[in-house]
Order: sequence, then C-alpha cells, then structure tokens
Amino acid sequence: DGGITQSPKYLFRKEGQNVTLSCEQNLNHDAMYWYRQDPGQGLRLIYYSQIVNDFQKGDIAEGYSVSREKKESFPLTVTSAQKNPTAFYLCASSIGRTGTGELFFGEGSRLTVL
Amino acid sequence: KNQVEQSPQSLIILEGKNCTLQCNYTVSPFSNLRWYKQDTGRGPVSLTIMTFSENTKSNGRYTATLDADTKQSSLHITASQLSDSASYICVVSPNDYKLSFGAGTTVTVRA
Repeated sequence: DGGITQSPKYLFRKEGQNVTLSCEQNLNHDAMYWYRQDPGQGLRLIYYSQIVNDFQKGDIAEGYSVSREKKESFPLTVTSAQKNPTAFYLCASSIGRTGTGELFFGEGSRLTVL
Repeated sequence: KNQVEQSPQSLIILEGKNCTLQCNYTVSPFSNLRWYKQDTGRGPVSLTIMTFSENTKSNGRYTATLDADTKQSSLHITASQLSDSASYICVVSPNDYKLSFGAGTTVTVRA
C-alpha cells in the first residue's frame, strides 16, 4: 500500500548526540515536510522540500538539518545544537504545495533526550 | 500573525451523543481549511478540506462547516463512537507551503 513510513517510532538520545529520523514515501509526491509537535501547541514546520536536491527552512529550523537526495526519502537530523529536542516529529508529503494539495502524514517518531 | 484558535481545548462526551468543535482563524489570504483527526501517538489523518466557496462538507459522521466571512469553522460529530476519541486539528492554508495549525481539541468518548 502507498504511504509514508517513519522510523524509528521511539528514539532516545543522550545530550550532545546527533540523531537521524528516517522518512520514506512511495506516493510519488514531489513535496515533503518535517513538523514538530509539542503538547498544547500546533504543528510547527521545521523544513520542507518541493523537489529533489532542494529544501527550505521552516519556522523552527535551528538545530536541525535535512537532505533530499532521492524523491522518496527526506531524513531529518536532530543535532546537538537543538536545545530542546524532546518532541513528536511528523513527516508529511503532498503532490504539490500544501496550499492546494492533500497532505499525508507518517505515523511519527517520538524523540526523548535522556 | 496568522493564527488558528480551537475551542474547547478538551471535552468528554457519552457514546452516542453529538458534539461540536470550533475553529476561529485570522489567516490571510485564505485558500482552504482542513480538519484532521489524530489518534494518540499516531499521525494526523484528513477528515475534510473546504475552499472559501464551500460552507459545508461531510465525511461519514463528521460534518464541517465554514463561514469565510466571520473566519469560523466547526466540526460536528454525530452519534459518537469510542473510536472517535482523538485530537481534532483545524488547519488553515494561505495557498503556499506554510499551513497554520491549531493546537487541537481532545475528544474523549465514554461508554
């Protein structure tokens, strides 16, 4: 079945470590997104990519990095520079820009800093 | 600043009863408004999407309304079921990549 796969589901990180969250989609969508979800807040955009080898910063990009080497893959690295990384991370994709296209989400990855 | 405010923050209803969730927004320009359902620990799933010219849209027991003049939307759940227990998120689009998300309303359905 077509969809978005995020891994791992749960991840624990020690302070000072970088971790990478995987996001793969087989929907043939051009655009992919990373959001962060914190309790009591709306989703916030970290990075987005509309085409392979190109990506743009969202509202809270500091301390995060991404790559888009393949259409299907959009991994997110949470670096040690991110001071408060504990959160639920959601990857999404759409055929075109989210303004007009349906947005499909993965199941999320929960990162906890020990 | 584009904002999306949802109310109530949470509510509890008995199985079989109806409920209505509210969404007020200040996003401009406006392209469309969406409602998503998010089960605990899962990714959001789309329920409805409405453009400014639509004032109601249904998806099974879920009915969304939109008043673009007053910038208000509501989501009505009819004959609630235990599986309706979830967070419901209102999302407003200004027609580009940057969606504005509400904080969500947590609905708990009790038997």
